Amino acid sequence: EILLTQSPGTLSLSPGERATLSCRASQSIHNRYLAWYQQKPGQAPRLVIFSASSRASGIADRFSGSGSGTDFTLSISRLEPEDFAVYYCQQLGSSPITFGQGTRLEIK
Amino acid sequence: QMQLVQSGAEMKQPGASVKVSCKASTYLFTTYNFHWVRQAPGQGLEWIGLVNAYTGETRRAQKFQRRVTLTRDTSRATVYMDLSSLGSEDTAVYYCAKSQRYCGGGSCYSAFGMDVWGQGTAVTVYS
Repeated sequence: EILLTQSPGTLSLSPGERATLSCRASQSIHNRYLAWYQQKPGQAPRLVIFSASSRASGIADRFSGSGSGTDFTLSISRLEPEDFAVYYCQQLGSSPITFGQGTRLEIK
Repeated sequence: QMQLVQSGAEMKQPGASVKVSCKASTYLFTTYNFHWVRQAPGQGLEWIGLVNAYTGETRRAQKFQRRVTLTRDTSRATVYMDLSSLGSEDTAVYYCAKSQRYCGGGSCYSAFGMDVWGQGTAVTVYS
């Protein structure tokens, strides 16, 4: 099973600042199988980034993904109020599919 | 844009079973893999398993191997999750989600993220 470790657990920032979220895998993952999700309270997760660096439909261009192998990053260039949420990374290439434990992005 | 519509909330007693449905609004139903993911109160996301809507093949997380049955009905464009021997630890919101399939080297994998999610079905196990 591929373990995904996200850091930090909580990130406190102000609107307009840049956010950098990390996801580290216990084994190498092909980029095709790495995704990021945003989840707000009471809502289903929403796909933000797929294939490590491709923005999903309807996602603002302030969101970007990067990385390869075992280290991946989700960046949000200028935080908007609606960006404060929990973010999960996920790998789909190896069974079982696994998620990171999440990073909570909160308003400072 | 495709939608996934799940069945309603359930309340069950310990030891019972629950069956959750997820209907897809697309004629491309068999093109996709459909996944089940759950989220216990205040916790993260946990993958339960998937069904290949074309072949009916399933994969399940080892934790759920003996208790979960995943099926699909292509005529209704609907997938189902049947979870048995419920305990309090199964109290959670259960989501279905769809992904693309990527096939290469003789094998197929889910890929490109889970881009459409159902609204979630709350399952409460109470005694």
